[in-house]
Amino acid sequence: EVQLVESGGGVVRPGGSLRLSCAASGFTFDDYGMSWVRQAPGKGLEWVSGINWNGGSTGYADSVKGRFTISRDNAKNSLYLQMNSLRAEDTALYHCARDQGVAQKDWGQGTLVTVSS
Amino acid sequence: QSALTQPASVSGSPGQSITISCTGTSSDVGGYNYVSWYQQHPGKAPKLMIYDVSKRPSGVSNRFSGSKSGNTASLTISGLQAEDEADYYCSSYTSSSTWVFGGGTKLTVL
Repeated sequence: EVQLVESGGGVVRPGGSLRLSCAASGFTFDDYGMSWVRQAPGKGLEWVSGINWNGGSTGYADSVKGRFTISRDNAKNSLYLQMNSLRAEDTALYHCARDQGVAQKDWGQGTLVTVSS
Repeated sequence: QSALTQPASVSGSPGQSITISCTGTSSDVGGYNYVSWYQQHPGKAPKLMIYDVSKRPSGVSNRFSGSKSGNTASLTISGLQAEDEADYYCSSYTSSSTWVFGGGTKLTVL
């Protein structure tokens, strides 16, 4: 069974930093690309960032480009999202997802990030 | 990266069919056969229902189907059931090698 468990969320002040982690199990991690997708409270889904199987290719939404960095450690079956210069509008539930083809096939339950002074 | 356009809400009675539209541009929906649809129940993680415009993942009911014409994709749910009541989101791969989601559609089963 595919399991994706996010951690690292919390309350942070504007301008602060946070590092999210996603622990993957139940599949061969380095066979798949991975994504981060967020959902602001009461709002829709927003794709944030993606990374290919070996970390050699990454992509970012315009809203986070230059502030967020996605990475992975295949030896630890883990995905990360380093978030810097956080803004109030980054407040959201952050899901990690396993990509299958050109879609996000399996999702974690998410970790909540709140940016507030 | 503007969000894809979906109706805010749709409704239908049990047994009926409904269709949710998803309109983008030639840089996303119209340019690639990489449209996906997700179902999200309150407080739950999204679930992939359709990928590559019209393919169903294993375990997804064949009451769910997808199609595309030009810059608009559609999700059709036939034989509506109470358990189908949820939010539905479309997504498309884009020419910027990113993904873009729609704003979401709330489906109410009357």
